[in-house]
Amino acid sequence: QVTLRESGPALVKPSQTLTLTCTFSGFSLTTSGMCVSWIRQSPGKALEWLARINWDDDKYYSTSLKTRLTISKDTSKNQVVLTMTNMDPVDTATYYCARIFPRDGYNYDYWGRGTLVTVSS
Amino acid sequence: NFMLTQPHSVSESPGKTVTISCTRSSGSIASNFVQWYQQRPGSSPTTVIYEDNQRPSGVPDRFSGSIDSSSNSASLTISGLKTEDEADYYCQSYDSSNDEVFGGGTKLTVL
Repeated sequence: QVTLRESGPALVKPSQTLTLTCTFSGFSLTTSGMCVSWIRQSPGKALEWLARINWDDDKYYSTSLKTRLTISKDTSKNQVVLTMTNMDPVDTATYYCARIFPRDGYNYDYWGRGTLVTVSS
Repeated sequence: NFMLTQPHSVSESPGKTVTISCTRSSGSIASNFVQWYQQRPGSSPTTVIYEDNQRPSGVPDRFSGSIDSSSNSASLTISGLKTEDEADYYCQSYDSSNDEVFGGGTKLTVL
């Protein structure tokens, strides 16, 4: 059974750095072709892709946010970590992690429940 | 980078058919797979169509996807509408530099 769970602070202050952790089970990021992405959704707004890390440690970032994002993985802990620097109130959103395994069909087939992050002083 | 443009909202009656479009701003719609996700309020998205026209197991065949190179767009068609289909729908694709994009979402109301 595949599960993903996001964790991190519910509240951060402007200019601070946000660190989010995605802890997953039921699959391994050492499996060839496996990938995990972070996707966010501001209240009442659309989904926005942020970053992806692949099984081979290739990393990809949203063009508009790449200077603020870092994605990494710890395969021994089955975790993917996203850091976002210089947080701003417009970054208030629900942050999701999701799995994509193109060999089984190109789509985000499993998502976490999301974690709401509010940016406010 | 590119954008995917969807209508903000669509509405239709139960039993009818509705089509939601997703237009790619640059690059060919046929070059990279298009996926469609359904999101009900308070829930995470789930896939209804992947790789342009493939349905995950468990998704009824009332849901279908297609692409049209002439309009550089993808479409999600839902036939035999049910009230349970009322949700937000997002298209998603990517490009050769592995940049991924979601459309702005379409709110489907089943009256």
